[in-house]
This record gives sequence, structure tokens and C-alpha cells, in this order.
Amino acid sequence: AQSVTQLDSQVPVFEEAPVELRCNYSSSVSVYLFWYVQYPNQGLQLLLKYLSGSTLVKGINGFEAEFNKSQTSFHLRKPSVHISDTAEYFCAVSDRTGGGNKLTFGTGTQLKVEL
Amino acid sequence: GAGVSQSPSNKVTEKGKDVELRCDPISGHTALYWYRQSLGQGLEFLIYFQGNSAPDKSGLPSDRFSAERTGGSVSTLTIQRTQQEDSAVYLCASSKGGSYNEQFFGPGTRLTVL
Repeated sequence: AQSVTQLDSQVPVFEEAPVELRCNYSSSVSVYLFWYVQYPNQGLQLLLKYLSGSTLVKGINGFEAEFNKSQTSFHLRKPSVHISDTAEYFCAVSDRTGGGNKLTFGTGTQLKVEL
Repeated sequence: GAGVSQSPSNKVTEKGKDVELRCDPISGHTALYWYRQSLGQGLEFLIYFQGNSAPDKSGLPSDRFSAERTGGSVSTLTIQRTQQEDSAVYLCASSKGGSYNEQFFGPGTRLTVL
């Protein structure tokens, strides 16, 4: 079984400032890691994913995340945020060993970008 | 091409009634998933279909919940004898299958049980 922890339920930040959204996971098996974004009144959209290889992965809209196996973390970062980044962000994992790709999500982090 | 579509977008029902929620996946996607998004529980996996294999029902919260997928395409999630705690947004997703492939999500059906 897996679990995902997003400690920050809300993160306020000023426009053009950097931001980091934290994600830690727990799993008895190897996992794939994902970040999804949900804009107001819209469905979930994939930002980026870590499957293997380089631990730094780049996604859409200037976001990146770094996989840290020893700390079981997959924090999401953006060096300079925009008003349009205001949304809810979900970290998720799936079982690499073939558990059917069902996603286990964290509770989400609401990013609010202010002028 | 068209994304995942779900209907209805909103459903209000009375406690004790049955409801059916529909999902049309992306054409050619072999895997289909149902999730539930609620204030108290966050995003939870409900059920997963992959091709002709038996579905993974491990996330269904009670035997009032069931789902089917006809012809490897459209899926219907049925909730019998709805309860107020069933109120949530029900999300459908589809993918090409495999643990690494992106799941594409539909806009969801908001269910309100009065």
C-alpha cells in the first residue's frame, strides 16, 4: 500500500516569487510519481511525472520536480510564479510493480498567487 | 481529439434513490478509472478496468457502488440507495494502460444527495 503526504494545505505567494510545494510518500514497493494540477472548475491535468532516469523532471508551465529516494520526496518547484498558476496541486503515486496504475493522491495544496 | 467526457455534469438526488453516472473515455484507451473527490476524503480511487480483465474493485466503499464497462469503452458507475455521505465529485479517467502512462481526467460529475 502507498500513502502520499502534502503537508501544506495552502501556500500563498506573490507573483514572480519562487515556490516549492512539498510531497512525501510512503510505499512498500517501487512507485512512479506524478504531479497533477486542478484549475478552478476544471478537471485534473498532468504537470509532470517521474518514471526513471534523471531525478530532476521538467513539466509544463515552467514547473519542475526532484525525486529524492532517500527522503521519499518529490517536491514541486517553480522559480517565478504567475497569477495563472493559482490552482490546486496534487501529488500522486502508482505502483511500479504492476498494481494496475491506480493513483494514490495526496490531499492537495492550494497555491494562491497574489499581486 | 476529444477528451474524456462525463455526464451529467451535476446531479441532485434524494437520499435513498439510485443514480447512474456515465463516462466516455478517449478512443483507443484500454484503461478506465473512477475516482471520487470529496472534502473529507480528498481524491480516492474507486475502480479500474483494463481491457477484458476483471476490474479492480478494491476502492469501492460499499456494495451499494458498482460499475460496468460495455464493449471496452463507455462506463457507468451506479450508486444504489444513495446516502448523504455519497455527495462528492466523481471523476473518470482513461489511459493507454500500464503504470507509467498518463491518466486523462474528465471534468467530473458533481453529485449532491439531499
